[in-house]
Amino acid sequence: QSVLTQPASVSGAPGQRVTISCTGTKSNIGAGFDVHWYQQLPGTAPKLLIYINTNRPSGVPDRFSASKSGTSASLAITGLQAEDEADYYCQSYDSSLNVVFGGGTKVTVL
Amino acid sequence: QVTLKESGPVLVKPTETLTLTCDVSGFSLTSDRMGVSWIRQPPGKALEWLAHILPGDEDSYSTSLKSRLTVSKDTSKSLVVLTLTNMDPLDTATYYCARLNGGAPIDAFDVWGQGTMVTVSS
Repeated sequence: QSVLTQPASVSGAPGQRVTISCTGTKSNIGAGFDVHWYQQLPGTAPKLLIYINTNRPSGVPDRFSASKSGTSASLAITGLQAEDEADYYCQSYDSSLNVVFGGGTKVTVL
Repeated sequence: QVTLKESGPVLVKPTETLTLTCDVSGFSLTSDRMGVSWIRQPPGKALEWLAHILPGDEDSYSTSLKSRLTVSKDTSKSLVVLTLTNMDPLDTATYYCARLNGGAPIDAFDVWGQGTMVTVSS
């Protein structure tokens, strides 16, 4: 059971917009800790997609955006492409001094 | 180019101790802005953070696994070592090391190793 809650799956047609929620508590996201997002393509290691709530590393397309509010965060993918089919994980930190991850969301491009 | 590469046994027996090594290149383990973390992923399941080693040799462990984990580094060899004692089949997973960019526990893991799959079975 992951500390941060994500939907197990989301899907969309090419070109559509999908969003992935990441729900925490007052002990983690709600305590003000930053949220980071990772993309894990099938059979590969995770890759940093968004850091410190809203920032994209160099090379990440601007189709990916994220936000944070209160005890939750969300990742949006606009203009969905076949290559976006992957698992997405949110990550934060909690007042017990542990890194916490979400359970992961599988994005399927229809 | 920053790279991390995990190595260790593919198969361990229950109750044995697992020792994994993370070879890093492209950055220094002596930097006060870089740490290295270990994260694992059981087959088909989510990521689970295990431990950090931070600047100044400060270490930090998952609360649930703290009694079984040790992380250390050898800066002269650019290595980070993780040991996990009393292995159980539930510890079967791909183990990743990742760079913690910024050196603080709340920072992001900006570069990951390829991972090494460890199976626990008698």
